[in-house]
Amino acid sequence: GEDVEQSLFLSVREGDSSVINCTYTDSSSTYLYWYKQEPGAGLQLLTYIFSNMDMKQDQRLTVLLNKKDKHLSLRIADTQTGDSAIYFCAERRGTGRRALTFGSGTRLQVQP
Amino acid sequence: NAGVTQTPKFQVLKTGQSMTLQCAQDMNHNSMYWYRQDPGMGLRLIYYSASEGTTDKGEVPNGYNVSRLNKREFSLRLESAAPSQTSVYFCASSPDRIENTEAFFGQGTRLTVV
Repeated sequence: GEDVEQSLFLSVREGDSSVINCTYTDSSSTYLYWYKQEPGAGLQLLTYIFSNMDMKQDQRLTVLLNKKDKHLSLRIADTQTGDSAIYFCAERRGTGRRALTFGSGTRLQVQP
Repeated sequence: NAGVTQTPKFQVLKTGQSMTLQCAQDMNHNSMYWYRQDPGMGLRLIYYSASEGTTDKGEVPNGYNVSRLNKREFSLRLESAAPSQTSVYFCASSPDRIENTEAFFGQGTRLTVV
């Protein structure tokens, strides 16, 4: 979706931290999501954050939200080869339809 | 529970042929969606259905029709397939709640139109 932007590719070494960034344009967005897509598979929800939160931590995942700048990031600590996948940022807007608007996805490649 | 099930997983069509992609969910969700995924473009919404008997257009509805047969099933039809419809199609469903509505996705249908 053109209203949600992500960089297309990120490469890290195993054991390092990965940071995947996302910007969105709709200030009425209520929930923001990170989905993971492994090769040949559908999308699986990793985590989400409500728009009145700044940060959410879930094991190796940390989501940071800067609502002023409309910037969302996903940090994966101690990145493993199994984390190699495409990561999609998505927003649910505050008004109108309930469907999510997705970014173009960031392909994370983890080098052993 | 199977979650969201799509059929078929793969399909090759000739230009001008028609076909229907099937989707069913067993989570008693009200809302269902069809997305297409193209390289570098993420997922784009084709159609969605907020409840049984209702459907609405998304971002890229041209060339498609949908049918919400009942609460479980939401099908996507291509009446006259075109090469531009070569894509991976995902069906999704979500509960009808005001608060967080996580979308659950099927495994996708890879469609090639030659």
